[in-house]
Amino acid sequence: AQSVTQLGSHVSVSEGALVLLRCNYSSSVPPYLFWYVQYPNQGLQLLLKYTSAATLVKGINGFEAEFKKSETSFHLTKPSAHMSDAAEYFCAVTSGGSGGYQKVTFGTGTKLQVIP
Amino acid sequence: SQTIHQWPATLVQPVGSPLSLECTVEGTSNPNLYWYRQAAGRGLQLLFYSVGIGQISSEVPQNLSASRPQDRQFILSSKKLLLSDSGFYLCAWSVLTGAFFGQGTRLTVV
Repeated sequence: AQSVTQLGSHVSVSEGALVLLRCNYSSSVPPYLFWYVQYPNQGLQLLLKYTSAATLVKGINGFEAEFKKSETSFHLTKPSAHMSDAAEYFCAVTSGGSGGYQKVTFGTGTKLQVIP
Repeated sequence: SQTIHQWPATLVQPVGSPLSLECTVEGTSNPNLYWYRQAAGRGLQLLFYSVGIGQISSEVPQNLSASRPQDRQFILSSKKLLLSDSGFYLCAWSVLTGAFFGQGTRLTVV
């Protein structure tokens, strides 16, 4: 079984401030982890992914995340928030399943507000 | 490159009417396909997944059904919509290294 917990359904930061969105996972097998961003009335766009290579993963739009196995965490960060970062962010986990099925499990999302 | 198409983008339907949402994938074969529903404040709920033609698994009991008549086509249906079926529906396909989403359908049942 696998699960994802995102701490904080809403996060507010000032423009230029550090962005930190928290994600903890649970998986019985080595996980693949993802962060997605969703703008209003749009589908989800992949920001970055961890697939068992480097533990510090860089993604689009200046975001990065670090896989910490000891803490079962995959927090998303960005050094300086921009107004265009305001969106909803989803953490997700997947692992190989039988018959080629890879179930992707999502967290409940964190809405990021950027204050000018 | 792989692309995923989902339509319509928005839909307003009366209670009791039928529903058909279609999703097609290009640029890949034998994809794993998914239908998710996103309700306000409830995150993404997996409704159905399919690992091949005619192979559909349901994650939660509900008023909806899914079909996969072709390798790259996934359809979400209902015979009679309920008010509670309103939401944002997302089709996706996946490989082990990630899932890729359509642009979604905003369904409002009135």
